[in-house]
Order: sequence, then C-alpha cells, then structure tokens
Amino acid sequence: RKEVEQDPGPFNVPEGATVAFNCTYSNSASQSFFWYRQDCRKEPKLLMSVYSSGNEDGRFTAQLNRASQYISLLIRDSKLSDSATYLCVVNPSGAGSYQLTFGKGTKLSVIP
Amino acid sequence: ETGVTQTPRHLVMGMTNKKSLKCEQHLGHNAMYWYKQSAKKPLELMFVYNFKEQTENNSVPSRFSPECPNSSHLFLHLHTLQPEDSALYLCASSQGAGDNEQYFGPGTRLTVT
Repeated sequence: RKEVEQDPGPFNVPEGATVAFNCTYSNSASQSFFWYRQDCRKEPKLLMSVYSSGNEDGRFTAQLNRASQYISLLIRDSKLSDSATYLCVVNPSGAGSYQLTFGKGTKLSVIP
Repeated sequence: ETGVTQTPRHLVMGMTNKKSLKCEQHLGHNAMYWYKQSAKKPLELMFVYNFKEQTENNSVPSRFSPECPNSSHLFLHLHTLQPEDSALYLCASSQGAGDNEQYFGPGTRLTVT
C-alpha cells in the first residue's frame, strides 16, 4: 500500500460547484496532516493544516478520520482560481520529524 | 528578495558535467530541504538540514551532494547524472520541524542529456 494515496483526477467542475477530494495514508502513527496546493509549473504552497476536530478556512473545509486513516478536503462555491493540483501531505513520524510524505496530487479544473 | 529563491531556474547538462543548484531563504528559518519532483510521481524528500547539520538523507545516490554553509543557503552539487535524474528540484525551508509549514522555492527544472 502506498504511503499517501490520492485520486489523481482530473476533476472538471463548473464554477460554483462543490467538490471533495479524499486521501488515505498507511502509517497509523502519523501525527500531522496538511493540504498543499500546486499551480501549474509553480511550487507547492500550504493551503491548510488538518486538525483532528476538522477545520474550515473560508470556502475550504478539511476533515481527518484517524480510525479510517482518511483525510478530505471540501471546496465550496468553486472559483476559476481554484484550478490547481491539491497535494495531501502527512508527517508520519510526529512532532520533531522533518519528514513529510506527499501524495501524487489531485488535479482540479474549474470550468467557466 | 523575499521568501525562498533558487538559481538557476532551468539547467541542461550532459552526463559528464558538474553543476550546482543554489537555494537561499530570506525567512530566518532554521531548516532547509531538497526535494525532487518527477512527472507522475509524488515529491520525494532528498536531504534535510537543521541549523546547517544534515538530519536526513533519504538514500540519495552519491552523484547528488548537498552543502549547507549556513542556515540561509543550501546547495546541491551534481556530477555524472543520468537521464532519469531529469526533474524539478525544489528547495524548501521551515521554522522548526516538518509539522510546521514548509515554504518552497520556484524550483530548478533540470534536464540531463
């Protein structure tokens, strides 16, 4: 089983739609979870951290299910500017570790 | 300059060449990273430095040689590379360990001919 698995997509959605991405991770000891965003031919940038209780930042909601080793990202009211690849990222070794494990990413295209 | 900068942005080199990639961070962070991003593969961590000391080396071939003279600068020295080493090489920095946000540079697109 791959360490961090994501559906590669692409997800093609109209403006205003709600879209959800899922990610599973293999290491049950993983402590920290993130969603990064990578625009075409650009570097990754942190979108949001994922907390155990779930968290929201504007139109973006992240959820963590430790029992199922599953992370999700929900984007409401999609904008054209949301088009990017979304990377699920896990710190498998906990606080103090410098290792991050990246998924391959899920590509989103928001269509006018 | 702000953030994380990398030079050169593009590099084409032959398998017998020696070249170096440079990264500089202007964020006052203590940790710096080299990642490799190949098509259809996830980002792969290559090396980590914390306060100039190497803390991670993820079984990277010796044809890649990192150097970290201080907390703001990171180099990746390349020699006798293979065509499969062609990829985007990304530098990142963070304040503290990996559970803190990592800030990436724009990357160097490397082509080995």
